[in-house]
Amino acid sequence: AQSVAQPEDQVNVAEGNPLTVKCTYSVSGNPYLFWYVQYPNRGLQFLLKYITGDNLVKGSYGFEAEFNKSQTSFHLKKPSALVSDSALYFCAVRPLNYGGATNKLIFGTGTLLAVQP
Amino acid sequence: NAGVTQTPKFQVLKTGQSMTLQCAQDMNHEYMSWYRQDPGMGLRLIHYSVGAGITDQGEVPNGYNVSRSTTEDFPLRLLSAAPSQTSVYFCASSYSAGAGNTIYFGEGSWLTVV
Repeated sequence: AQSVAQPEDQVNVAEGNPLTVKCTYSVSGNPYLFWYVQYPNRGLQFLLKYITGDNLVKGSYGFEAEFNKSQTSFHLKKPSALVSDSALYFCAVRPLNYGGATNKLIFGTGTLLAVQP
Repeated sequence: NAGVTQTPKFQVLKTGQSMTLQCAQDMNHEYMSWYRQDPGMGLRLIHYSVGAGITDQGEVPNGYNVSRSTTEDFPLRLLSAAPSQTSVYFCASSYSAGAGNTIYFGEGSWLTVV
């Protein structure tokens, strides 16, 4: 079965420290990978995506993610956390079925990032 | 640039009532979809459309209907609301159904069925 796992329900980090939010996936074929952020009572905002090419992807608000095919991971990172980064983060995969694309995102269950001042 | 617009933002329904969640996008996107978000379950696809006049079911379609008469609009109908449909609903769109296209989400509709 195709799935995305975010093993941590919550990540706590002090402001100014580096942060990592973990994501692993299990799909057949080559995946397209996405990260979204959700602030309280708001919709999901697109952060970044991996399609092909360089394994290190840079996105919005200073976030980046590293695609690791051998470990089937796509961890979200930021060198220096801000209090304003506190939010719910979702990893998602859009698998490529044989013969073409599929039309949905498979989401992880989300990781709550809490940045303490 | 409004992006994806959903209405209403909040709604309380009684069991058995019907309602329509409205979704409109102004980006001329072909692909539109509806997701529901439940605690601990991430987002799950309800229905999607790859263009006007074309709709298909996602992974949790039961209890919901959709139609796509125009490129811009993709309403979600609950014909007879049930407490299990209490959730946050997100409409989303992308330029096309191609897997590399970024999907953009609306602000969400919080629905409570009592």
